[in-house]
Amino acid sequence: QQQVKQSPQSLIVQKGGISIINCAYENTAFDYFPWYQQFPGKGPALLIAIRPDVSEKKEGRFTISFNKSAKQFSLHIMDSQPGDSATYFCAAGLGSARQLTFGSGTQLTVLP
Amino acid sequence: GAGVSQSPSNKVTEKGKDVELRCDPISGHTALYWYRQRLGQGLEFLIYFQGNSAPDKSGLPSDRFSAERTGESVSTLTIQRTQQEDSAVYLCASSLVGQLNQPQHFGDGTRLSIL
Repeated sequence: QQQVKQSPQSLIVQKGGISIINCAYENTAFDYFPWYQQFPGKGPALLIAIRPDVSEKKEGRFTISFNKSAKQFSLHIMDSQPGDSATYFCAAGLGSARQLTFGSGTQLTVLP
Repeated sequence: GAGVSQSPSNKVTEKGKDVELRCDPISGHTALYWYRQRLGQGLEFLIYFQGNSAPDKSGLPSDRFSAERTGESVSTLTIQRTQQEDSAVYLCASSLVGQLNQPQHFGDGTRLSIL
């Protein structure tokens, strides 16, 4: 019940296109949903996060869409750039446990 | 810079040896986390420290794994009698306080290879 399933495993997008990564969770008690970006050889960095009381959050070119009834959330990267090429991880957290459960990651490649 | 620092960056050791990994959190961060990242996979939570409270060890995979932290400073993760399945990148993160909506700042990890 602690799983977070992420898809696709890899994604190739043309420069200027929209990248969409999806995650699904099982535990309805999760109350924090962050996305992390990781470049090779580096640790993950927090990109954007959402709580379940809102359906969408936008920061620049990055948007999280959240569907509580479907237990799904997604990351949309608008106007994708080659510099966005990285691995993206979704995660879900339970505040009382102070732990994050991570998805398996999506390797995004943005072609110039 | 003033980010999370981990050492060594790479460690190669023989099966059966003990290894010790170090994490220097961001100054002033009371919460510290250890994660394991196997090749091509997501991060697995290992252990969490918050100030002087008892650590949350619920993610440690076996009794070969242990971690210590003195106050709000350096932490060490120790793996005894290493096995090949311990090969992974071990990541440390710190946050201002132990709340999920406080961003976790990650180090670049220690890449551990067990021969």
